Formats: sequence, C-alpha cells, structure tokens
Amino acid sequence: DAKTTQPPSMDCAEGRAANLPCNHSTISGNEYVYWYRQIHSQGPQYIIHGLKNNETNEMASLIITEDRKSSTLILPHATLRDTAVYYCIVSDYNFNKFYFGSGTKLNVKP
Amino acid sequence: DVKVTQSSRYLVKRTGEKVFLECVQDMDHENMFWYRQDPGLGLRLIYFSYDVKMKEKGDIPEGYSVSREKKERFSLILESASTNQTSMYLCASSGDRGPVEKLFFGSGTQLSVL
Repeated sequence: DAKTTQPPSMDCAEGRAANLPCNHSTISGNEYVYWYRQIHSQGPQYIIHGLKNNETNEMASLIITEDRKSSTLILPHATLRDTAVYYCIVSDYNFNKFYFGSGTKLNVKP
Repeated sequence: DVKVTQSSRYLVKRTGEKVFLECVQDMDHENMFWYRQDPGLGLRLIYFSYDVKMKEKGDIPEGYSVSREKKERFSLILESASTNQTSMYLCASSGDRGPVEKLFFGSGTQLSVL
C-alpha cells in the first residue's frame, strides 16, 4: 500500500476552516484515500473517503488533486470538539489492511 | 450504529501472565482487526480475521495469538505478557467486501504489564 505524509501538527481558530494536507505520491490507480480521526482516549473514527472525485459529507470535504498525488481534508467550521489526530490512509481493498501513520494533530483554539 | 465493545478499558497484568483481550461487535461484520497504538508509532496491525476460525498475521504478530470461534467475537491473547507489550490495544471491525473499507473501532484497552 502507498505511504502517506502528513504534517505532525496544525492549529486552527474556532469557526474557521481547517485544511489538512496529505501527500500520497506513490498511490496506485485502484487505491482509495481515507480519512479517520482519533479524539483523545477513543478509537479512530471514519470521516470520509474518495477515489478520484472530490467528496463531501456531513462531517467534511475531501479534495483530491487531478494527479491523485495529494489530498486535503476540509473541516468547514472547526469547533473545539474537532481537536484530534487526523489520519490520511491510502489502501487497496485486496489487502483489507489499513496503515495508520502518525497523523496530524489538529489543535482548534478559541 | 455499529458497536464494537472491548471488555476492559484498563488492565494491569504481571510479566509472564497469560492475558486475554476480548472484542465483540454487534453488526455481523465479516472482518475484525487488532491494533496496538504506541506514542510516536501510530497504529500497528497485529492480527486480522476475515471469517470465523480464520486469521492472518499483521505487521507485528510476534508474542500474540488470536481466536475467532464466533463471528461476533475476536480475542487477542498474550501467551506470556512482557513489559514491552504495555500499550493501548484497539479492536476494529468491518463489514465491507471492497472496494471501500470502513473500520469501526472500539474504545481501546490500555494494558500495563508490570
């Protein structure tokens, strides 16, 4: 599975959009991009996934570049409860395995 | 909502003890996973299972074994606990057959081996 690179930490003001980047330059054509987050002392929680097109759900938006080598998770109006570690994962379903790296620690500040 | 329940939130064991970590999911999911999480290392896959009585090694299976006698239950076994197995253990399940993989996680078991 392709590896991902994320910044170790980011800050965001409450109410503003949080844009979390992820590089996955070795992604292959059948690998999806997934985002999960882990709030302190809880298990990771699924946020969103995509293959080629941009995606939006009630939690976030996912923007994938045309060459698919990078993506951005957007939390449109960050709240203090969005403070968490965010993991970007690329995976081929044939392996049924996910590789969680160290993620990005998002600090939402009042 | 999918519920993945881990039997203990905190566990303290002695070196050499046999330790069982239990995980139950209530959504009839085919796939179940055990991860451990350590500071600076992220989540690492220990074992996973596609079906009852089926298991596959993940990235760090040494020192662990698993059991899946029933579809809803996946147990992680530390045959002889050691201090380097002190960690947060996370169980997950997934019902997807591909290509999308949504994992549902339990709240974790913080295991301390003294």
